[in-house]
Amino acid sequence: DAGVTQSPTHLIKTRGQHVTLRCSPISGHKSVSWYQQVLGQGPQFIFQYYEKEERGRGNFPDRFSARQFPNYSSELNVNALLLGDSALYLCASRPHLGIGSSYEQYFGPGTRLTVT
Amino acid sequence: AQTVTQSQPEMSVQEAETVTLSCTYDTSESDYYLFWYKQPPSRQMILVIRQEAYKQQNATENRFSVNFQKAAKSFSLKISDSQLGDAAMYFCAYRSASDMRFGAGTRLTVKP
Repeated sequence: DAGVTQSPTHLIKTRGQHVTLRCSPISGHKSVSWYQQVLGQGPQFIFQYYEKEERGRGNFPDRFSARQFPNYSSELNVNALLLGDSALYLCASRPHLGIGSSYEQYFGPGTRLTVT
Repeated sequence: AQTVTQSQPEMSVQEAETVTLSCTYDTSESDYYLFWYKQPPSRQMILVIRQEAYKQQNATENRFSVNFQKAAKSFSLKISDSQLGDAAMYFCAYRSASDMRFGAGTRLTVKP
């Protein structure tokens, strides 16, 4: 089975621009989460979606938004890019919400965003 | 808010030896999971081991085992018989029903 896929792999944008990152979860997984990982740091939680509804939000400004589609794929949008938005953006999917062992999440390879 | 602290930015171990990576966390919740993830230079985050907070028995996965001290809120990872392929960033993580947090990571170097 295919794992979590993300596109694009790398992206270079200019300050002030807008970016859209995409994630396709593992088949059958209904929950998608987004994380920002700045170089040298651990991932920071941005959003969690389940069944197309936002179920969790980290401490990120309103410039960050996301949505989940009927096929459970997801987009992360960032407006008015800042230099500090340069990071690896990770997507993770899992079958359902909850914290049972059967609800483990699996990460994609990430999208490396560079803002110049 | 829950926090996860990894106090060792870097660790090194000789091939075939044992190394322990430290992690402490802070939470007021009673129901949660703890994890160790490995992130090689290829950047794919890979789950190494998980521990349910309600289980007293320490989790073990082949050469990887944890020392979970719930009262002390400590969750260390022991890697036995270290291999060159174990070299990576290791992240300790905490997950509850509503939140997931990662530590800052420990870079593990394995010396041949």
